[in-house]
Amino acid sequence: NAGVMQNPRHLVRRRGQEARLRCSPMKGHSHVYWYRQLPEEGLKFMVYLQKENIIDESGMPKERFSAEFPKEGPSILRIQQVVRGDSAAYFCASSPGSRERNEQFFGPGTRLTVL
Amino acid sequence: QKEVEQDPGPLSVPEGAIVSLNCTYSNSAFQYFMWYRQYSRKGPELLMYTYSSGNKEDGRFTAQVDKSSKYISLFIRDSQPSDSATYLCAMTRTGFQKLVFGTGTRLLVSP
Repeated sequence: NAGVMQNPRHLVRRRGQEARLRCSPMKGHSHVYWYRQLPEEGLKFMVYLQKENIIDESGMPKERFSAEFPKEGPSILRIQQVVRGDSAAYFCASSPGSRERNEQFFGPGTRLTVL
Repeated sequence: QKEVEQDPGPLSVPEGAIVSLNCTYSNSAFQYFMWYRQYSRKGPELLMYTYSSGNKEDGRFTAQVDKSSKYISLFIRDSQPSDSATYLCAMTRTGFQKLVFGTGTRLLVSP
């Protein structure tokens, strides 16, 4: 039973380039979440998606960041025109989506470095 | 003031000790409480999941929630060097999916 998969594990971009981070949820999970972890800080919620829908994007920066979870394929977190401050670990989590239980299981993360 | 406060540590203990990790929070609407373990440069691993107040035990781990004090704890019995990691508390409200995390406590268990 494969866990949450993320790729790439490490991504290096120069300022101004685009970064695309991918997340495949656990089998049977239909809900995906993205979190960002800066050095010495806890994880910060960014966005919550179900298939083809953004449910809560209250943690997403207003510009340059977007996320999608298409009907087929992985969830994508896209960062346009990256800046040095975007350097962080980006974690994806998934859950089965029950209202009663919302345990979220995390992937290994993508470490983005902006030069 | 942060919604969730957690002492960053590091907390250093000898092997076999009982470890107590804690978080306080300010939002009384939080109903679901979780503890995650994160090894260096890895993803968080869910250890304990509790709803509302009370205790929950799983092997060497016990989670306690005191909603009246807005205080949660994770106890680790017979600690092992392999328990050395950062422990993150997280919580959320009923009907919400967004987790609010503490900054994590780094635990070091020496042999």
